[in-house]
Amino acid sequence: SYELTQPPSVSVSPGQTASITCSGNRLGDKHAYWYQQRPGQSPVLVIYQNTKRPSGIPERFSGSNSGNTATLSISETQAMDEADYYCQAWESSTVIFGGGTKLTVL
Amino acid sequence: QVQLQQSGPGLVKASQTLSLTCAISGDSVSSKSAAWNWIRQSPSRGLEWLGRTYYRSRWYDDYAESVKSRITIRADTSKNQFSLQLNSVSSDDTAVYFCARDVGGMELDYWGQGTRVNVSS
Repeated sequence: SYELTQPPSVSVSPGQTASITCSGNRLGDKHAYWYQQRPGQSPVLVIYQNTKRPSGIPERFSGSNSGNTATLSISETQAMDEADYYCQAWESSTVIFGGGTKLTVL
Repeated sequence: QVQLQQSGPGLVKASQTLSLTCAISGDSVSSKSAAWNWIRQSPSRGLEWLGRTYYRSRWYDDYAESVKSRITIRADTSKNQFSLQLNSVSSDDTAVYFCARDVGGMELDYWGQGTRVNVSS
């Protein structure tokens, strides 16, 4: 079965750029999606189709996807960006999620 | 603006059936471009997609292999909602359950508020 692998945690200083990776076999051949989830809340879509931002998502959020790795980047990281982030892809009409990455803004 | 409102019991006894409903506003369960998903989340499993239903001249559904023998997702066009039934539950099914919309097999762009379900022995 298809798997997506994320680092369990990433730390970043305020104002710096955070990068969260998501690895999967030939992930670059698929679309990657990213969700932000704050404690006690539902996931929120922050990046779709590898690089696109939904309306209302700050320009600080960007994405890329090539080879076996998709990356979510958050520039000028703020305290409010502290959350869990999940990548997602489709495989044979099923949804696959990564294990999630806890972003800590120190 | 699409909104998904979940309802259903937060406590289910082991071996019984878990049943949840997701009411849709701002879209139609019979939309030919959307699909209606159920996802759950637990500390041990993380986010786990369970399945979806969608209408493309007829009804289709896709299910995760892990629950395929126990799950039914069904649309109710008269109430513009869809439901999840998970049979023969065990403590392993204790989780927060979410409904969500996907468009064209792409992003999950709208999510319900989540329902915490505990399976008691």
